[in-house]
Amino acid sequence: KAGVTQTPRYLIKTRGQQVTLSCSPISGHRSVSWYQQTPGQGLQFLFEYFSETQRNKGNFPGRFSGRQFSNSRSEMNVSTLELGDSALYLCASSWGQGIMSVYGLRWEKLFFGSGTQLSVL
Amino acid sequence: QKEVEQDPGPLSVPEGAIVSLNCTYSNSAFQYFMWYRQYSRKGPELLMYTYSSGNKEDGRFTAQVDKSSKYISLFIRDSQPSDSATYLCAMKTNAGGTSYGKLTFGQGTILTVHP
Repeated sequence: KAGVTQTPRYLIKTRGQQVTLSCSPISGHRSVSWYQQTPGQGLQFLFEYFSETQRNKGNFPGRFSGRQFSNSRSEMNVSTLELGDSALYLCASSWGQGIMSVYGLRWEKLFFGSGTQLSVL
Repeated sequence: QKEVEQDPGPLSVPEGAIVSLNCTYSNSAFQYFMWYRQYSRKGPELLMYTYSSGNKEDGRFTAQVDKSSKYISLFIRDSQPSDSATYLCAMKTNAGGTSYGKLTFGQGTILTVHP
């Protein structure tokens, strides 16, 4: 079974430009979440999509946006790039339904892609 | 102050050593506790997860959660050079309804196991 695929793997942009990153989830997974990873802040949640709808959002400015298509593939877009946007952008996919535990809590495993390394010059 | 604190290390140990990795957290609403391993130029992969206080063992790995102290640990026994990676703790609340994708991560600890 193919894993989560992110393209491109590396990207170099200049300040002020915009960029679009792509994520293809594991077949059958309907939820896609995006994270930003930097040495200073670590992994930070951007947003989550399920069945083409944004289900949750982190604390990032409006320059960061995303969408999900009917085949569950997702894209994220960053407009007006800043130097501080240089980071590894990771997406993770999951079924999106949750698994009930014996404690009555729902949880599910996230499967991460290898990320897109974005450098803003 | 961050919700989840993790010592970034780096940590260097000889092969065969017992490794102890730790995280503390401040948000009492965290209900799920996970450990991820991330190799260089790869995405994180889930190692262990638990919901409750106490210990959970899986092979050479033991995850420990102490909710009263807001402290979680991962122990690696008989460490191997292949265990060299960044280890990330992650946590999730039960809030957000049907949203399962939002995790709060620690900074990650860089571990090197040398032969």
